[in-house]
Formats: sequence, C-alpha cells, structure tokens
Amino acid sequence: EVVLTQSPGTLSLSPGERATLSCRASLSINSNYLIWYQQKAGQAPRLLIYGASSRATGIPDRFSGSGSGTDFTLTISRLETEDSAVYYCQQSASSLWTFGQGTKVEIK
Amino acid sequence: QVQLVQSGSELKKPGASVKVSCKASGYTFSSHGINWVRQAPGQGLEWMGWINTNTGNPTYAQGFTGRFVFSLDTSVSTAYLQISSLKAEDTAVYFCARTYYGSGSFYFDQWGQGTQVTVSS
Repeated sequence: EVVLTQSPGTLSLSPGERATLSCRASLSINSNYLIWYQQKAGQAPRLLIYGASSRATGIPDRFSGSGSGTDFTLTISRLETEDSAVYYCQQSASSLWTFGQGTKVEIK
Repeated sequence: QVQLVQSGSELKKPGASVKVSCKASGYTFSSHGINWVRQAPGQGLEWMGWINTNTGNPTYAQGFTGRFVFSLDTSVSTAYLQISSLKAEDTAVYFCARTYYGSGSFYFDQWGQGTQVTVSS
C-alpha cells in the first residue's frame, strides 16, 4: 500500500499570503496518479488538481500543483477567505488507492 | 448534469445492518466506477474500495473486507454499500464518488452528498 504523508497538519495564514502544502509518498508514483481535493466543513470533497498539476474545471488559477516521484506540492498563491478548508492528496497509481491525512488551512 | 444522490441518515444499534444507496444521473452509469469513502468524526478521508459498474466486480481496501459489501442495481443506476454486524466505530459519514479517467489519470470527479451512519445503543 502506498502511504501518503501530508504536512503540515495545520496552516494558519492571512488573506493574500501564499500557502504551500506538501504530500510525500512512501513509494515513487507516476505523477499522472496524484490528485488533490478540497473539503470545506460539512461538505463533500471537491476535485482540485489531477495528474499532479492539471486544474479541474472551474478551479481558480491561484491553485497550482507540482511534483514528481515521491514529493508533491499544492500551492495557493494568494489566499482568500473562501480557501479555508482541509486539503487531501490521493494516489490512484496502485490497485489500492489511498488518501493522505489532510492539511487544514485556516485563514486568520 | 452529473449527480450522485445518496440516501438519508441512519441510526442503527450495534449488531444491526445498514444499506446506503448512491443514485447516479446525468451520465451512462456503466461507464464509470463507483467508489466508497469513509470519514469518521473529525477524521480524514479513507478509501474503502470501488465497484466496477460494467461487470459488478468489487474491490475492497484493507480493513474493509468481510462486513462490507458493494453492490449494484443497474436498472436504476444505483450503487449500494451494505455494512453488517455494525460496531460503534462504524459511525461515520460515507461518501460515494465517481471514478473518471481522463488525461492519463484516474480521479473522483463527482461526489455524493454523504450519508451519516450512527451506531449507538
């Protein structure tokens, strides 16, 4: 099983600041199979990024993904209050898919 | 538009069973697999497995074998999650999500609204 470890656990930043979220895989994975989701309180998750760096339909360009091998990053370039949420990475590279434990982004 | 609509909240006693439904609309049901994801109170997302809506073949993640069963009724474009011998630790929100294959990647592009299952005596 591929284990995904996200850091930090919580990020507390002000509007307009840059957020950098990390997702590290226990094994090297094809970047095509690294996905990011956003989950706001009380809602279902929403697809943000697929293939490590492709934004899903309707996702603002302040969200970007990068990385390869075992290290992947989600960057929110200019935080807005509506970005307050938990962000999860997921891998679909192996036959058993897994999520990271999530990073909570708080807006001050 | 593409939608996944899940059944309502359930309150069950330990040892009972529960069956959660996920009704798909707006697309060809057999063209996309359906996944199940558990979220325990205050916890993260946990992939439980998926069911191939073309063949009916289920795949279960570690920790979700035995008491958990995925099934389909293709005549009504609906997937089901059944949990038997319920325990308090099964208390969670259960989501269904559609698998999409695009640009060389697999991902969950549509999610149900979630079903709260509470197990309590």
